Amino acid sequence: GIQVEQSPPDLILQEGANSTLRCNFSDSVNNLQWFHQNPWGQLINLFYIPSGTKQNGRLSATTVATERYSLLYISSSQTTDSGVYFCAVESGNEKLTFGTGTRLTIIP
Amino acid sequence: KAGVTQTPRYLIKTRGQQVTLSCSPISGHRSVSWYQQTPGQGLQFLFEYFSETQRNKGNFPGRFSGRQFSNSRSEMNVSTLELGDSALYLCASSLIPTSGDYNEQFFGPGTRLTVL
Repeated sequence: GIQVEQSPPDLILQEGANSTLRCNFSDSVNNLQWFHQNPWGQLINLFYIPSGTKQNGRLSATTVATERYSLLYISSSQTTDSGVYFCAVESGNEKLTFGTGTRLTIIP
Repeated sequence: KAGVTQTPRYLIKTRGQQVTLSCSPISGHRSVSWYQQTPGQGLQFLFEYFSETQRNKGNFPGRFSGRQFSNSRSEMNVSTLELGDSALYLCASSLIPTSGDYNEQFFGPGTRLTVL
């Protein structure tokens, strides 16, 4: 099945810093989503982005489908941005496959 | 409109028991998928239902089963519980079955199952 790798696994930043999270996948995809998992386990949709670039406030994402990667940018980090960020993809008839996540910690 | 709801939110069972978890999708969504999240294995796909039919199944033993009702609500059942079944069980709904043109999935808050 498709492989999804996220980097870095852990990231510790000072409040106000910018960050870039990366998601590499091993095959062409027809769906790619970024999620933020809060401390209570809820997966919050950030972007549905199988290709192209999208922005939502301080967050933006870019997927380069031909090169099989996606990037999530977080600018001016806030403590509420802390948590685990997951990339998940679908390829062909395979179901949503999740990466192992990036744990982001924002220090005040 | 209301999001995906899951009940119960927390559950404690003992080995050998069985458990049933419930998921109500977003109104108008007809596809429901279930995922298991554990610290060791991460997030793994269990199965997907659409129009009361199982469309896809992940690599889980037959003790894990599910069903979908005509109103798109779904239940999953785990029989003969094992310690390793302790996990966060997440349900997701989408408008149409996944692998379509637009199939963004929206997740519920999860049911945290502890098996003692």
